[in-house]
Amino acid sequence: AQKITQTQPGMFVQEKEAVTLDCTYDTSDPSYGLFWYKQPSSGEMIFLIYQGSYDQQNATEGRYSLNFQKARKSANLVISASQLGDSAMYFCAMREGVGGGADGLTFGKGTHLIIQP
Amino acid sequence: NAGVTQTPKFRVLKTGQSMTLLCAQDMNHEYMYWYRQDPGMGLRLIHYSVGEGTTAKGEVPDGYNVSRLKKQNFLLGLESAAPSQTSVYFCASTKSFSNTEAFFGQGTRLTVV
Repeated sequence: AQKITQTQPGMFVQEKEAVTLDCTYDTSDPSYGLFWYKQPSSGEMIFLIYQGSYDQQNATEGRYSLNFQKARKSANLVISASQLGDSAMYFCAMREGVGGGADGLTFGKGTHLIIQP
Repeated sequence: NAGVTQTPKFRVLKTGQSMTLLCAQDMNHEYMYWYRQDPGMGLRLIHYSVGEGTTAKGEVPDGYNVSRLKKQNFLLGLESAAPSQTSVYFCASTKSFSNTEAFFGQGTRLTVV
């Protein structure tokens, strides 16, 4: 079974609209972290937001927020007031907590977001 | 503030040739990782290291070797390149024992012909 599932291969959104990118995860570890990265066409990986499994509140970073629903094992990224520069690939990733999460991040296959003017 | 630097950025190899990708980080991070990114597959972990002198296999280690002789450097080697190793390779590093972000290098685009 996939550990990280992103069900939207591609999305088209009008500029200034809010966007929700879906992510569900699968783990039996009680301690884990969830991450979202942005990859523009230039190729670099840009960290957006992090949510820990024990965090009581949903994470927010500027226009980005993470809708964390632990019982449903979902960690959707919400981008408010989308901009043309938000067009990119977006990856959800998880680090499981055993050993401090030394063995890296597990990534989903990504969602290609295109913002239309 | 260089962060994570990968060398080279692009490379074309012939089948059977060998090469080494270098990853250098200046943040004194304990953990370092090599990932590969293929179309439609996301990033997959090749090998990782939890400290100087240590390495471990990730999800897709076959055909690759790694070394971490110095804390700041993590080398990825291909002894006999195959077309299936055509990919974009990313190095990343994180602090130890902390659920914080991984810092990524800019990627190396490798083509094996």
